Amino acid sequence: DTAVSQTPKYLVTQMGNDKSIKCEQNLGHDTMYWYKQDSKKFLKIMFSYNNKELIINETVPNRFSPKSPDKAHLNLHINSLELGDSAVYFCASSQDLGTETGYTFGSGTRLTVV
Amino acid sequence: TQLLEQSPQFLSIQEGENLTVYCNSSSVFSSLQWYRQEPGEGPVLLVTVVTGGEVKKLKRLTFQFGDARKDSSLHITAAQPGDTGLYLCAGVSSGYSTLTFGKGTMLLVSP
Repeated sequence: DTAVSQTPKYLVTQMGNDKSIKCEQNLGHDTMYWYKQDSKKFLKIMFSYNNKELIINETVPNRFSPKSPDKAHLNLHINSLELGDSAVYFCASSQDLGTETGYTFGSGTRLTVV
Repeated sequence: TQLLEQSPQFLSIQEGENLTVYCNSSSVFSSLQWYRQEPGEGPVLLVTVVTGGEVKKLKRLTFQFGDARKDSSLHITAAQPGDTGLYLCAGVSSGYSTLTFGKGTMLLVSP
């Protein structure tokens, strides 16, 4: 199936730990994104990569570090996790800016920090 | 900052009713998209509107882009329980390169 797949689906961890979320797309898209969805369902852009290059880094703490080993992968590493990091994180991809073809989203990673 | 306001935030209706969801902004958008998100899943694109005044239909769903490209509406005719979900509008305005999302309208259609 052509898709955006992210792992794990659920992640429960203690404060202060370091964790990673992986994302892969097999759609041949050249732009990938990380979005954070809070408890009120608001989706906010965190990072955007185009052809492995960072093009957008919204006001995200530097504890969050994206890594794109190739065009098809964009992983998110989070250091020193805090309670406020609990949210659902979505990976997405698009061809170019996706202004006409839209974004394809993964099914999300629910991160719970305890 | 580009801001998209959606209304209503929550809508609970009976099967067979009609409804309209609104998406408004003070910014002009080059295009505007509507997504539906179901529990435990990511948003799925329903439609993209590009031209001011454009109307697109997707079965029982009708999408309209305002003439000034600052607002959009989604009308559902004869809603069904399968229409239940979070409806999100999203757009990219001049000077920005990523989609900004509205806060969504949660629709619940009861049998």
